[in-house]
This record gives sequence, C-alpha cells and structure tokens, in this order.
Amino acid sequence: QSALTQPASVSGSPGQSITISCTGSSSDVGGYNYVSWYQQHPGESPKLLIFDVTNRPSGVSHRFTGSKSGNTASLTISGLQADDESDYYCSSYTSLTSRVFGTGTKVTVL
Amino acid sequence: EMQVVESGGGLVKRGGSLRLFCSGSGFIFSSYAMNWVRQAPGKGLEWVSSISGNGIYISYADSVKGRFTISRDNAKNSLYLHMNSLRAEDTSIYYCVREGKGLAAFDIWGQGTMVTVSS
Repeated sequence: QSALTQPASVSGSPGQSITISCTGSSSDVGGYNYVSWYQQHPGESPKLLIFDVTNRPSGVSHRFTGSKSGNTASLTISGLQADDESDYYCSSYTSLTSRVFGTGTKVTVL
Repeated sequence: EMQVVESGGGLVKRGGSLRLFCSGSGFIFSSYAMNWVRQAPGKGLEWVSSISGNGIYISYADSVKGRFTISRDNAKNSLYLHMNSLRAEDTSIYYCVREGKGLAAFDIWGQGTMVTVSS
C-alpha cells in the first residue's frame, strides 16, 4: 500500500482560498467515504480537521471544508490566515492494509 | 479531559527490541479502536498498526508486519506496541492515536515517544 498522493506544497495570500488534493485509488479514497484531514504545526501532534470526507469535529473552523470526487479528496481552506501555515495530511480507510496516510502538503501563507 | 500518553521510547541497537506503552484517560477506552502512527524526523505520517476496541481485529502496515505486535489491556486502559528486529528506518516519533470519529479518523493524539535505532 503506497501513501496517498498530495502536492508537496501549496501557497496563498491572506484572505484567499486554497485547495489541497489527496489522490488514491478505488481501494481507498474512491471506495469509501472514510477520508480525514489533519493539520500539524511544527513540533506538535497532528489535529483532526475533517472526518468522513466532509464532517468537521466540534471546534474546528468552518473555513476548512472537505470534499471528494472519484479517487481524489480535497481540503479547501478559505479566508487563509497566517496561522494556517502548517503541514496537512489526509488519511483513508483502505481495503489493502486498513489505513493509509497521504504524503503531506506544506501550506505557505505569502 | 480525554487524552493518551505514550512512554517507552529510547535508543536501541539495530536488531534489538523495544516495547511502547500508551495510557488512555477521560474516555471509555474499550469502546475505541486504537492505533500507532509514526513520523520519521522531517518526514510525513505513517500508519503502523490498528487494534479494535475488543482486541479482536488487528492490522499492520507492510513495513512492520511480522516484526511488530500491537496489543491492549482494557482493564488497564492501556495500549502496547512490541517492536522486534528493529531497523534504522524504524527511527521515528511514535504516536498513540484514538480512532474516535469512524474509520481512519484519528481524533486524539498523544505527544509521541521517540524511538531511535542505531546501527
């Protein structure tokens, strides 16, 4: 089971919207609605942002939105803020080894 | 407060063994699947292993299958990872993680425990 594919980096200016993709296969992202997204600031543990493709845990900003089309899931961050500068990871249930993470995306706020 | 706390990391020689511990509190431990996730220095997250709340269903990443064993003791609210035949590439921060929001939705993370395998 290879890691899900994410862009290495994405950048945007404050106030803009950016989208991070997470591409897998029919064995994981495309086959199940069990995609989650995490934010990890340097030196900290990851934080759950989105689960089951589109759901936000309580306390997570509405600026974070999840979606999926075919074998690709996406995380959109709207109204980009300085504190959004961080690493982001997707994860999915997979029929092959049960769970898998994405390769990670570094978001830079210009 | 719901939390998990890892311990047991350290420096070990290649080919050696190490056992990691995780203690959960603030939630009904036996109701949740638990996982180990690792992160090598400067690298991304890698899922390692999962165990269901009742301990019946267990899965491993291909990279550790046959070398690592996950287990739990619900009476002690504890999760374990027994690591054998350690390799340099196993050097990572190991996180204990609760799967609390559905499959592959990891909602409570510990602070991590560092495992360093020396050659």
